[in-house]
Amino acid sequence: GQQLNQSPQSMFIQEGEDVSMNCTSSSIFNTWLWYKQDPGEGPVLLIALYKAGELTSNGRLTAQFGITRKDSFLNISASIPSDVGIYFCAGRDRGSTLGRLYFGRGTQLTVWP
Amino acid sequence: GAVVSQHPSRVICKSGTSVKIECRSLDFQATTMFWYRQFPKQSLMLMATSNEGSKATYEQGVEKDKFLINHASLTLSTLTVTSAHPEDSSFYICSAILGTGGSDTQYFGPGTRLTVL
Repeated sequence: GQQLNQSPQSMFIQEGEDVSMNCTSSSIFNTWLWYKQDPGEGPVLLIALYKAGELTSNGRLTAQFGITRKDSFLNISASIPSDVGIYFCAGRDRGSTLGRLYFGRGTQLTVWP
Repeated sequence: GAVVSQHPSRVICKSGTSVKIECRSLDFQATTMFWYRQFPKQSLMLMATSNEGSKATYEQGVEKDKFLINHASLTLSTLTVTSAHPEDSSFYICSAILGTGGSDTQYFGPGTRLTVL
């Protein structure tokens, strides 16, 4: 099946720094979603993107749907300790049935105070 | 809105027993729900798509006779792990789609930690 390439795999940053992570796909996607997962919890939706070029913010988080429709990035500005967790990108390509998502491998974010 | 619950949150069972996990959409109706499995430090792996009123669609490699899915109502899907073995120990997460008209936004439950002794 479709495999998303998510990078970096992990990040260690200091509180206050900005963070950027991205995902690429081998085929054109119609939807890109970004989730955060805390240990022992289910993923929580951060941002949903449905249109090429779309740039959406949610507080300190900003995500964009790439123009080529094969990539997306997530930025976190002025990181704080509670940003720690695993961030997953997910998306649906044109050939998938409704709701069938493909996931990246995740980016483990560690924020030092 | 868009709250999905799971019960139980964690379960420990003996090898050979069956375990049922419930997934509920609390404030919306979900025609379609999904069941995922997640091993430590790995991404979510889709097991099956649960459709209200019809049979579930299983991903390749997932045994439908071992992982029984029942989507009896628009707010409830259940996953039963039959004759569980230690290798079935994992974090099981369900999700549901909110909305219609092609929306793909999935909302996830908090997960169920299954440990088979």
